[in-house]
Amino acid sequence: GDSVTQMEGPVTLSEEAFLTINCTYTATGYPSLFWYVQYPGEGLQLLLKATKADDKGSNKGFEATYRKETTSFHLEKGSVQVSDSAVYFCALFSPGNTPLVFGKGTRLSVIA
Amino acid sequence: GAGVSQSPSNKVTEKGKDVELRCDPISGHTALYWYRQRLGQGLEFLIYFQGNSAPDKSGLPSDRFSAERTGESVSTLTIQRTQQEDSAVYLCASSRVSGQIYNEQFFGPGTRLTVL
Repeated sequence: GDSVTQMEGPVTLSEEAFLTINCTYTATGYPSLFWYVQYPGEGLQLLLKATKADDKGSNKGFEATYRKETTSFHLEKGSVQVSDSAVYFCALFSPGNTPLVFGKGTRLSVIA
Repeated sequence: GAGVSQSPSNKVTEKGKDVELRCDPISGHTALYWYRQRLGQGLEFLIYFQGNSAPDKSGLPSDRFSAERTGESVSTLTIQRTQQEDSAVYLCASSRVSGQIYNEQFFGPGTRLTVL
């Protein structure tokens, strides 16, 4: 079945550091890919998405590019802030399979 | 507007007791999902409702788990004879019509269940 693998956390960075959270997937079809974020005490929120190969999703300074050749969707941000501290989940949606398939999540802590 | 709400936010129960978790989806969203997030794990799909269609129960881990939804509104997830391994955060999400096209799922804040 479909699956998502993302790098284990926790990740601790200093403010203004560069962030990469790796995500790779396995899917039988042609999935859409997502990054969700869960801030402390809040529900999951969609951060960005990409629906076809080479698409780049971006939001709040975060970016991720849908790479079909490497089945990857790595999350990047050039300069993190303390307010980016959260748990980040990579997920996929395969047409016809209505639930999202999630990775295990990566906890990011940004220190001033 | 109002988002997805869930109650209670926290529930502590004793092993063997039954619990009910409630989800109020966004008005107008016909699709409703339940997921479970155990410590250190990703989100596991439990059950999916779409309009008046039969629910997709393929993710329910055992027959102790059941869920109902009244029309296109409130859903209740029931866990009977709770076990310690049921301890998790239970998340509800809703979306517009689902199927072949992805429609963004909006998540509630979750219910943290602790089984002692």
